[in-house]
Amino acid sequence: AQTVTQSQPEMSVQEAETVTLSCTYDTSENNYYLFWYKQPPSRQMILVIRQEAYKQQNATENRFSVNFQKAAKSFSLKISDSQLGDTAMYFCALIPDTNAGKSTFGDGTTLTVKP
Amino acid sequence: EPEVTQTPSHQVTQMGQEVILRCVPISNHLYFYWYRQILGQKVEFLVSFYNNEISEKSEIFDDQFSVERPDGSNFTLKIRSTKLEDSAMYFCASSERTEAFFGQGTRLTVV
Repeated sequence: AQTVTQSQPEMSVQEAETVTLSCTYDTSENNYYLFWYKQPPSRQMILVIRQEAYKQQNATENRFSVNFQKAAKSFSLKISDSQLGDTAMYFCALIPDTNAGKSTFGDGTTLTVKP
Repeated sequence: EPEVTQTPSHQVTQMGQEVILRCVPISNHLYFYWYRQILGQKVEFLVSFYNNEISEKSEIFDDQFSVERPDGSNFTLKIRSTKLEDSAMYFCASSERTEAFFGQGTRLTVV
């Protein structure tokens, strides 16, 4: 079975500080993609960052970066210089390369950025 | 920038009625998906659609649900005889291969 676990239901951070959201996963697939999605109060799902499992280099997208540890099956998201607009639910997701439909989402982490 | 669009944004229906949720995927995408998110819960995969047929479906996607791509651009999710527990946010997504782009969702309320 394919699983994605986000162990932090809620987190908070002061504006301009850095926060890390954790995600661990389990899959029998050899190649897969990992994603972080942001869901603000509007409930729209917005792609934040993606990582191909075959790439060792950690993905970076402006203030967002990941720490991908393939052997440990860990995929954490670091948000630097947190902004009030980062307040949202964050979902970690895994999609195997062989089956684009078999995607699995974590339970989500609610992040609150405080002024 | 191309985007996935869903209509309506909010639908209220009476229990037992049929509803059709509509989606227009990104035009060059080949894979289409429906997901459901009950309020306060995780996003759940319902079904994926490729080459005009269902490629994968979850245990949630029972005979009450059906999907269709009626005209080459729209992608619809039909829920027959809605139940109270069908109340949720329904997301459509599309992808060229793996990176799914989500629509803004349809909030379905069954009363």
